[in-house]
Amino acid sequence: EAQVTQNPRYLITVTGKKLTVTCSQNMNHEYMSWYRQDPGLGLRQIYYSMNVEVTDKGDVPEGYKVSRKEKRNFPLILESPSPNQTSLYFCASSYGDVSYEQYFGPGTRLTVT
Amino acid sequence: AQSVTQPDIHITVSEGASLELRCNYSYGATPYLFWYVQSPGQGLQLLLKYFSGDTLVQGIKGFEAEFKRSQSSFNLRKPSVHWSDAAEYFCAVMKSSGDKLTFGTGTRLAVRP
Repeated sequence: EAQVTQNPRYLITVTGKKLTVTCSQNMNHEYMSWYRQDPGLGLRQIYYSMNVEVTDKGDVPEGYKVSRKEKRNFPLILESPSPNQTSLYFCASSYGDVSYEQYFGPGTRLTVT
Repeated sequence: AQSVTQPDIHITVSEGASLELRCNYSYGATPYLFWYVQSPGQGLQLLLKYFSGDTLVQGIKGFEAEFKRSQSSFNLRKPSVHWSDAAEYFCAVMKSSGDKLTFGTGTRLAVRP
């Protein structure tokens, strides 16, 4: 089954404790992306990647890191999480051409205390 | 920088009534335009997209959208709303293939029996 998986789905952590949210897709997609969703703000893109070893900043990259060492994986790293990073995070992937649909993962709800 | 405005935060319609959700974008050229739907507790699903050509675009679930260059708008319509259409709807814009995707803040649709 074609899908985008994220782990963990729920995470509660404390300020400053490094964490990684994994994202994996099994569709051989070139384009992968991370978004955060906050009430009243919609979805905002954090980082995106057009291919292996190629990443670009989205609208809200501060406080986040990503890497794209393999085509299927695109982990999101919070080196020193802060409470303002409490949010719902979505990973998405698609073929490189924009004519293809972007598939979204189920989301990861992160709480930083 | 590109931006998307969805002026209606909440809309309530009666089942069977017609629906129009507004979306305006700000970008110098014609971007790629999308509408996504998010059901409660779910990820996002693509309803339809516009790249070029016919300005009236048909999507899934009986939705359509019309691109109006003169008004910088891409409004979503449905002639007869069903209770299952209750969800949050997001308009999004992408400048070019593989570029970042910018979302509006969303419109939450409630359907009155």
